[in-house]
Amino acid sequence: EVQLVQSGAEVKKPGESLRISCKGSGYSFTTYWISWVRQMPGKGLEWMGRIDPSDSYTNYSPSFQGHVTISADKSISTAYLQWSSLKASDTAVYYCARQGSSSWYIDYWGQGTLVTVSS
Amino acid sequence: DIQMTQSPSTLSASAGERVTITCRASQSISSWLAWYQQKPGKAPKLLIYKASSLESGVPSRFSGSGSGTEFTLTISSLQPDDFATYYCQQYNSYPLTFGGGTKVEIK
Repeated sequence: EVQLVQSGAEVKKPGESLRISCKGSGYSFTTYWISWVRQMPGKGLEWMGRIDPSDSYTNYSPSFQGHVTISADKSISTAYLQWSSLKASDTAVYYCARQGSSSWYIDYWGQGTLVTVSS
Repeated sequence: DIQMTQSPSTLSASAGERVTITCRASQSISSWLAWYQQKPGKAPKLLIYKASSLESGVPSRFSGSGSGTEFTLTISSLQPDDFATYYCQQYNSYPLTFGGGTKVEIK
């Protein structure tokens, strides 16, 4: 069974750093890409970027480029989403999701990680 | 970026009704379109990919059609479990983009 298990909810202050994780199981982790998707409170879905775990090649949405970093450690089948300086506007649920490398649609999603940034 | 526009944003319907949601792309995306269902507090779930291909395990009352810039998701007979928000997403080019969502409510 394909599973993407994300790390737990976080509460942070503005300016703090954060890394959340997404561990894949039940499939070959390097055969598919991992995308990250943001959902702000009461809002829709926004694609942030993706990584190919086999070589760590990344694509970012221009809306998120420079503000977050996506990385992966294929030895432990885990992808990461990282911020160096959080803002209150980063408060959202963040989903990791499995994306096909030949057909780019997303077929499996993690359970989501709620990140709350508040002073 | 390719803009995806869904309509309506909210839809009120009764169980048993036929429901259609439309998604328009700002430029041609061939058939590179997926549909997702999301329930409150849950992750989205893939329903349809490549515009009309039904994901394994998804009930056959869901169907998708279209190509180019105009697409539809149809639920042939709305069931109680179908009340949710639906999103289209293009995967023709980066950045991947989602429509704004259509909330299907109980009438």
